[in-house]
Amino acid sequence: DAGVTQSPTHLIKTRGQHVTLRCSPISGHKSVSWYQQVLGQGPQFIFQYYEKEERGRGNFPDRFSARQFPNYSSELNVNALLLGDSALYLCASSIDNTEAFFGQGTRLTVV
Amino acid sequence: GIQVEQSPPDLILQEGANSTLRCNFSDSVNNLQWFHQNPWGQLINLFYIPSGTKQNGRLSATTVATERYSLLYISSSQTTDSGVYFCAVDGDTGFQKLVFGTGTRLLVSP
Repeated sequence: DAGVTQSPTHLIKTRGQHVTLRCSPISGHKSVSWYQQVLGQGPQFIFQYYEKEERGRGNFPDRFSARQFPNYSSELNVNALLLGDSALYLCASSIDNTEAFFGQGTRLTVV
Repeated sequence: GIQVEQSPPDLILQEGANSTLRCNFSDSVNNLQWFHQNPWGQLINLFYIPSGTKQNGRLSATTVATERYSLLYISSSQTTDSGVYFCAVDGDTGFQKLVFGTGTRLLVSP
């Protein structure tokens, strides 16, 4: 069984650029959530999408946006990148808000 | 919002030793999970344990929801157990929002 898959695994961007990160949930999972983990800290919640609708949003600026597609995959978009956006971005999927399973993450470096 | 505290922050063990990691949370929760983060950053699911006790090999976990804490037990530790252990809880927000503790960094030496 395929787990949660994220792409790309690593990414280097320049300040001010835009980035799109992708996530495919476990088959049958309709919920996708995004988390940001900076070095030395625990992951911080960014968004949850369920059945293609945004269900919750964390304390992140409007530069962060996301969407979920009819096949339940998801994209996280970040505009006007700042150095402080450098982090590991994690995607999680679950069935009906129960146990969450995480992908391997996308490591974003902003230079 | 809900607060999650983990202790100890760092733990160094000799191979074969036992350990207990603790997670305290500030409010009632719908979900509690323990994860092991490997050196490449992937969060590995250990337990989904909003209440009660579970065991999986050398690992076991207990959550006492009424007293707002959870414990992760590691017995006969191995060098491969090294890494960061996170506790994450999901409060009563109406959607899934895992709040993570700051983690316990475990180093098991041979």
